[in-house]
Amino acid sequence: AQSVTQLGSHVSVSEGALVLLRCNYSSSVPPYLFWYVQYPNQGLQLLLKYTSAATLVKGINGFEAEFKKSETSFHLTKPSAHMSDAAEYFCAVSDGNQFYFGTGTSLTVIP
Amino acid sequence: GAGVSQSPSNKVTEKGKDVELRCDPISGHTALYWYRQSLGQGLEFLIYFQGNSAPDKSGLPSDRFSAERTGGSVSTLTIQRTQQEDSAVYLCASSLVFTGGRDTQYFGPGTRLTVL
Repeated sequence: AQSVTQLGSHVSVSEGALVLLRCNYSSSVPPYLFWYVQYPNQGLQLLLKYTSAATLVKGINGFEAEFKKSETSFHLTKPSAHMSDAAEYFCAVSDGNQFYFGTGTSLTVIP
Repeated sequence: GAGVSQSPSNKVTEKGKDVELRCDPISGHTALYWYRQSLGQGLEFLIYFQGNSAPDKSGLPSDRFSAERTGGSVSTLTIQRTQQEDSAVYLCASSLVFTGGRDTQYFGPGTRLTVL
C-alpha cells in the first residue's frame, strides 16, 4: 500500500514570504501525484498534478511542485504568500487503482 | 448541475441505525469516488465507480459499508448498523473519465455524519 506524509500539520508564513509545504510518498512504481486545497467552508479543489510529464508542475494561483523521484518527494511551493492562500492543503498519490491522501497542512499567512 | 452535490449535508443518527448518503456527480462524468474524512485525519479512499461498476471494493472499511451507482449517475453510500467510529465527513468526487487514477477529481461539499 502507498502512504503519503505531509511534514508539518501547521505552517505559518508572513505575507510575501516563500511558501513550502512538504510531501513525501512511498511508492514502488511511478505514481500520479496531486495537491488539493480546501479553503474555509469550501470543498476540495485541485491545485496541480503530476502524471509523468514534466517534473516541475505549475498549478493555479502561482503554486508549483516538483516531482523528485530520488527523494520520493512532491513539495509544493509559492514564491510569495498572499493572505488568500490561507487554507488546508492535501497531498495525494494514486497508484492507478486507489488514492491515498496525506493528513493535510494548514497554512496560516501572517500580515 | 454546476458541481458535485451531496445530500444530506448533515446527518445525525443513533448507533445501530442504517444511513444512506447520496452523491450527484457533475453531469457527464463517468467516474465517481467516495472518501471519508475523520477528525484530524486525511482523506481515506473508500471506492470508485467506472460507470456503474466498482472494480475494487477493498477500500470499504467493513462489510457494513456498501455503495452502488445506477444509471451512470447518482451514487449512494450505505452504512448499516452505524457505529460511533463511523462519524466523519463523507466526500464524493467525480471525474470526466477514469484513466488509471490521473484524472482531475471534482469534490462535493460532503455529508457530515454524526453517530450518537
